[in-house]
Amino acid sequence: QKEVEQNSGPLSVPEGAIASLNCTYSDRGSQSFFWYRQYSGKSPELIMSIYSNGDKEDGRFTAQLNKASQYVSLLIRDSQPSDSATYLCAVNYSGNTGKLIFGQGTTLQVKP
Amino acid sequence: GAVVSQHPSWVICKSGTSVKIECRSLDFQATTMFWYRQFPKQSLMLMATSNEGSKATYEQGVEKDKFLINHASLTLSTLTVTSAHPEDSSFYICSARDLASGTDYEQFFGPGTRLTVL
Repeated sequence: QKEVEQNSGPLSVPEGAIASLNCTYSDRGSQSFFWYRQYSGKSPELIMSIYSNGDKEDGRFTAQLNKASQYVSLLIRDSQPSDSATYLCAVNYSGNTGKLIFGQGTTLQVKP
Repeated sequence: GAVVSQHPSWVICKSGTSVKIECRSLDFQATTMFWYRQFPKQSLMLMATSNEGSKATYEQGVEKDKFLINHASLTLSTLTVTSAHPEDSSFYICSARDLASGTDYEQFFGPGTRLTVL
């Protein structure tokens, strides 16, 4: 059973702080990793994709990948109340037709 | 780019009726689309993979005769919930891959369809 694990939270951070969201996955053959943001009642929105070890930065967001530890994280700098949402980690496993396996999501609350 | 639309955005129907949901890729061709279902406070559950011009591949536990999927063109996939019952009430979301983008494992989601079966 291929799994993607996230802490469901809620993770509460003050406005302006760094929010750190973590995700682990079970299949070492995984190739592609994604972070989606989902506001309540809405569909997921792609924030970041990362394919190789290391950091990838896009504005206030930084994705970090460590394939040896089977770990991917998302850092949100200068957190804003508008960042309050559920963040879904998704992994594309090797040998499939492009299906993504989603974690259960971490709820982030940014308090003014 | 990579815009996916769904129609309708919400639907209320009586138990026993069928409901069709459309998923369209607006600015790209999608040979593969995915259908998900999400219950309140839960994560996305993949129901099936829809391939243009061929039969859909259903996930374990999903009834293919109840959830009919048709992917007749490179920009349109439909999901029909047949003989809907209250337990089918959920948020149905489609996604599509843009193979021309070079990052073909990225999936772009439609806005979702909220189905309520009375």
